[in-house]
Amino acid sequence: SSELTQDPDVSVALGQTVRITCQGDSLRSYYASWYQQKPGQAPVLVIYGKNNRPSGIPDRFSGSSSGNTASLTITGAQAEDEADYYCNSRDSSGNHWVFGGGTKLTVL
Amino acid sequence: QVQLVESGGGVVQPGRSLRLSCAPSGFAFSSYSMHWVRQAPGKGLEWVAVISYDGSKKYYADSVKGRFTISRDNSKNTLSLQMSSLRGDDTAVYYCARLESYSGNDLFDYWGQGTLVTVSS
Repeated sequence: SSELTQDPDVSVALGQTVRITCQGDSLRSYYASWYQQKPGQAPVLVIYGKNNRPSGIPDRFSGSSSGNTASLTITGAQAEDEADYYCNSRDSSGNHWVFGGGTKLTVL
Repeated sequence: QVQLVESGGGVVQPGRSLRLSCAPSGFAFSSYSMHWVRQAPGKGLEWVAVISYDGSKKYYADSVKGRFTISRDNSKNTLSLQMSSLRGDDTAVYYCARLESYSGNDLFDYWGQGTLVTVSS
C-alpha cells in the first residue's frame, strides 16, 4: 500500500499531552517524518527517524513507531502548537514518497 | 543559510504548459536529491516528483506521470518542473524541498515558500 492514514482532527487541552498517529504498510520498512504547517506557511520538519528533533524544535515534541504505526506526541501542548501535522515516508517501492492526509490539531 | 526560492507560478489555461523553477542557495545543491511537493487549496500535502543528486534518476506521482518533467542543472544551481497538459486539479501551491537521507532517515529539512499555480480558463 502507498497510503498513510491520519485522523483528520484532534484536540487537546492546553498543557496536556496529545498523540497524533499515522498508519501505513510502508511504515514497517521506513521511518516516518513529521511536519507542522501553520496557515499560509510552508511545512516545517518537527520529527524524523526513530525519534529525532531538528535544531530549534522544542523537546515537547517526540516520535515513536510500532509496526505499521508512527506517532507524534506533544507533551504539554502550547497554544502555538495549533497547526496541521503531516506524516511522510517512502512508499513500499522505495522510490516514491507519500504524505498522510494531515491532522488538524486544536489546542483548547 | 539554506534557502529555496520558487518562481514561475501563475494562472494558466487547461491543457497549457508552465515551467516552475527553484533557486537553491546556502548548500551544496549537487549533493542532494530534490523534490516537488504540492498543496491544493484547503487540502493536504501531495508528493509530486523527485530527482536524484546527479539527475540520473527521476520518479513521479501517478497523478502527474507523463505530464510533468523534473530536471536540474547543477552547474547553474537550478531545479525545474515542466508541467504540461495542465488540469484544474493541478491547481496548487508548489513547493520545492530538499531531502536529507542518511542511515535510514529521510527528512525534508528545507522547503521553499511555494509558488501558486492556478489552472483556469
